[in-house]
Amino acid sequence: NAGVTQTPKFQVLKTGQSMTLQCAQDMNHEYMSWYRQDPGMGLRLIHYSVGAGITDQGEVPNGYNVSRSTTEDFPLRLLSAAPSQTSVYFCASSSGRTNEKLFFGSGTQLSVL
Amino acid sequence: AQKVTQAQTEISVVEKEDVTLDCVYETRDTTYYLFWYKQPPSGELVFLIRRNSFDEQNEISGRYSWNFQKSTSSFNFTITASQVVDSAVYFCALSEAVEGGSEKLVFGKGTKLTVNP
Repeated sequence: NAGVTQTPKFQVLKTGQSMTLQCAQDMNHEYMSWYRQDPGMGLRLIHYSVGAGITDQGEVPNGYNVSRSTTEDFPLRLLSAAPSQTSVYFCASSSGRTNEKLFFGSGTQLSVL
Repeated sequence: AQKVTQAQTEISVVEKEDVTLDCVYETRDTTYYLFWYKQPPSGELVFLIRRNSFDEQNEISGRYSWNFQKSTSSFNFTITASQVVDSAVYFCALSEAVEGGSEKLVFGKGTKLTVNP
């Protein structure tokens, strides 16, 4: 069972570069979300989606874009990377929005120099 | 607004000790869900338990138990006879239920538990 697959696992960017973090799930979950984890800050919601074609902002959306063209995929785009975006990023999905348990990907460690 | 407070940043115990991780939440809703997740040193996030606001029964699963008290807005987690493998960061989380389902799950900042042999 693949579950939630995130790629890449590690990435180093220079300030101003753009990139896309990929997230795919094979559980036919309608709900998908992106979190960032920073030391001492816990997990903070960036963007989420309740189904294909529907996205919305979370707690810390600035500097990130998302789209949801299919149920399976929910990529996170950094338009112009900044050192403040250095973090560990987690993608998650659930069958019944956030009142059901989340299945998390293994995370992406991103460093912006 | 939703808020989850885990006041204990780090806890260190010796193996076989019991340890309680505190979680206090704030919400204006009467219907909500509370969760605990575990993040071992390997980094993945693992679901431990979900509790809805209408179910105040405490739950026990092996060495793990959870105490939900609406009167004090707390959802504490106790590990009995701790083991080294319990070393991890533990997150408490809150989801408010709105019509059609809640879209925002708010996490506490986590408690890092170290169990020493």
